[in-house]
Amino acid sequence: DIQMTQSPSSLSASVGDRVTITCRASQGISGWLAWYQQKPEKAPKSLIYAASNLQSGVPSRFSGSGSGTDFTLTISSLQPEDFATYYCQQYNNYPFTFGPGTKVDIK
Amino acid sequence: EVQLVESGGGLVQPGGSLKLSCAASGFTFSDHYMDWVRQAPGKGLEWVGRIRKKANSYTTEYAASVKGRFTISRDDSKNSLYLQMNNLKTEDTAIYYCTRDGYSFDYWGQGTLVTVSS
Repeated sequence: DIQMTQSPSSLSASVGDRVTITCRASQGISGWLAWYQQKPEKAPKSLIYAASNLQSGVPSRFSGSGSGTDFTLTISSLQPEDFATYYCQQYNNYPFTFGPGTKVDIK
Repeated sequence: EVQLVESGGGLVQPGGSLKLSCAASGFTFSDHYMDWVRQAPGKGLEWVGRIRKKANSYTTEYAASVKGRFTISRDDSKNSLYLQMNNLKTEDTAIYYCTRDGYSFDYWGQGTLVTVSS
């Protein structure tokens, strides 16, 4: 199975900050990586697919990059509604696997 | 508007069975692969399995942790996805989400809680 790791596991940031989350795959997954946002007691929401493509309706302050094994999610200017947990997921190989999550909270 | 609504969760004893349903609306259900993802209380996300569409013979894939115990099916005439869970274990306790397989898992239901406990 492909193992997904994320760093940091948590971070504290202020509104307006630039935030970067890193995701690493244990083997190459080309660009088959997605990012999801989950708020407490809610279902995950899709943000980015194929490493760098924004889902419809997702604000442009979110961006993704990377290929192969190393990927990043960047929030250019953190907004109050962005405090949540973020997961990466590879869908290049079965079983599809998720990273452990990065919790973004208020400093 | 795309909507996915899960139902069928509840409390079941170890070794028991349960069947989850997911009612889809707002898109052409038959055109999409569909997946189940689960989340144990306070934990991360775990992919459970996938079912392809008719053109791909409705074939399925499963996580090793559920293979042989869980079965994913669909009824395109009813715009519905199902998850039959047999021989349930305490570690199957989780919220189960149905997801549309578009550009990655682009839409998610609200989830249904399955608790396996004696």
